[in-house]
Amino acid sequence: AQTVTQSQPEMSVQEAETVTLSCTYDTSESNYYLFWYKQPPSRQMILVIRQEAYKQQNATENRFSVNFQKAAKSFSLKISDSQLGDTAMYFCAFMKHEGGSEKLVFGKGTKLTVNP
Amino acid sequence: DAGVTQSPTHLIKTRGQQVTLRCSPKSGHDTVSWYQQALGQGPQFIFQYYEEEERQRGNFPDRFSGHQFPNYSSELNVNALLLGDSALYLCASSFGQGVYYEQYFGPGTRLTVT
Repeated sequence: AQTVTQSQPEMSVQEAETVTLSCTYDTSESNYYLFWYKQPPSRQMILVIRQEAYKQQNATENRFSVNFQKAAKSFSLKISDSQLGDTAMYFCAFMKHEGGSEKLVFGKGTKLTVNP
Repeated sequence: DAGVTQSPTHLIKTRGQQVTLRCSPKSGHDTVSWYQQALGQGPQFIFQYYEEEERQRGNFPDRFSGHQFPNYSSELNVNALLLGDSALYLCASSFGQGVYYEQYFGPGTRLTVT
């Protein structure tokens, strides 16, 4: 069974600094997608970044980038120049392809607080 | 372009009652997935609807059922509510089957069972 583990329940960072959130996953599939979602207090789950497993190049979206280590099954999120608006729960998710459809398997999340 | 919408925003029910939650997908999307997010946890997959049929189901009892309408909107029904059903229920929409497209989430419905 696919599992997603986020080992850091809570993290904090000073505004303008860099923080890295960790995620490991377990799968026997060779091609899959990984995602980081952000969930602010408003509850809306927002896609931050996506990584396709067959692509060796790490995905980047503005201040957000990932370090994807396929052999180690590791998928960490780096947030550069942290902003107060980055304060939120961050969920790592694996997209599982099953029976012709897809579902997301989420980790338990990391609560990130950006301090002024 | 309207995103995923859900109604109601929150509601309170009593044990044993039944509840219906509603979701309208993002424009152009034809697939709807439902997730349950307990407090302090990540979302758990309930089921997915495509072409008005349930395509995949997570580890949830038959008390959880759903429906998809011809306009792609969807309902989640929960019968015989238990205290443990208290959670945030998220709807996510996407396009197509068998392809790895992002799922776009709605704001959720907060259900409290007393």
